[in-house]
Amino acid sequence: KQEVTQIPAALSVPEGENLVLNCSFTDSAIYNLQWFRQDPGKGLTSLLLIQSSQREQTSGRLNASLDKSSGRSTLYIAASQPGDSATYLCAVRRGTGNQFYFGTGTSLTVIP
Amino acid sequence: DAGVIQSPRHEVTEMGQEVTLRCKPISGHDYLFWYRQTMMRGLELLIYFNNNVPIDDSGMPEDRFSAKMPNASFSTLKIQPSEPRDSAVYFCASSFATAEAFFGQGTRLTVV
Repeated sequence: KQEVTQIPAALSVPEGENLVLNCSFTDSAIYNLQWFRQDPGKGLTSLLLIQSSQREQTSGRLNASLDKSSGRSTLYIAASQPGDSATYLCAVRRGTGNQFYFGTGTSLTVIP
Repeated sequence: DAGVIQSPRHEVTEMGQEVTLRCKPISGHDYLFWYRQTMMRGLELLIYFNNNVPIDDSGMPEDRFSAKMPNASFSTLKIQPSEPRDSAVYFCASSFATAEAFFGQGTRLTVV
């Protein structure tokens, strides 16, 4: 079974700082990896999707990378803002079966 | 499209009662997923459908849980009888093939 780990579990940074969130997975046979954001009491908002053949994807201040062979992905957030405060989840879509496996998330707090 | 729509948003019920959660996926999507989120266990996949057919229900905790997808635009998750340990947020998600997945806002279930 695919195991997905996110480190750190929680992160607190001052506004304006660049930061990196990590996601690791045990089975490299994946279709894609997707990063989500979840605000308290809300649903999951899709941030970026990286297909297994891609190395990175960018959207605004967000950049996600994928190293499938080593089972790792990172989400880079540039010039963090208080509005970035949320829980960030990565999800790996396995190559057979098509279901998603989620990490436990990183809770980010950006201090004004 | 209005996105994935779940109803109700909140449900409070007494132990032993039947609970039905509803989901309308994004039009044209052929995959539908039901997840449960708790503080202790994070996001757990309960069941998923492809073209209205259940593919993997191994995550359904026990026989009290059942899910149906009578057509491409509607799915239900039923719990009968409900128990306090079923209290959680239940999410529905949909995708077209292995493309980006989108989540609904969730149903917060409280069983007292």
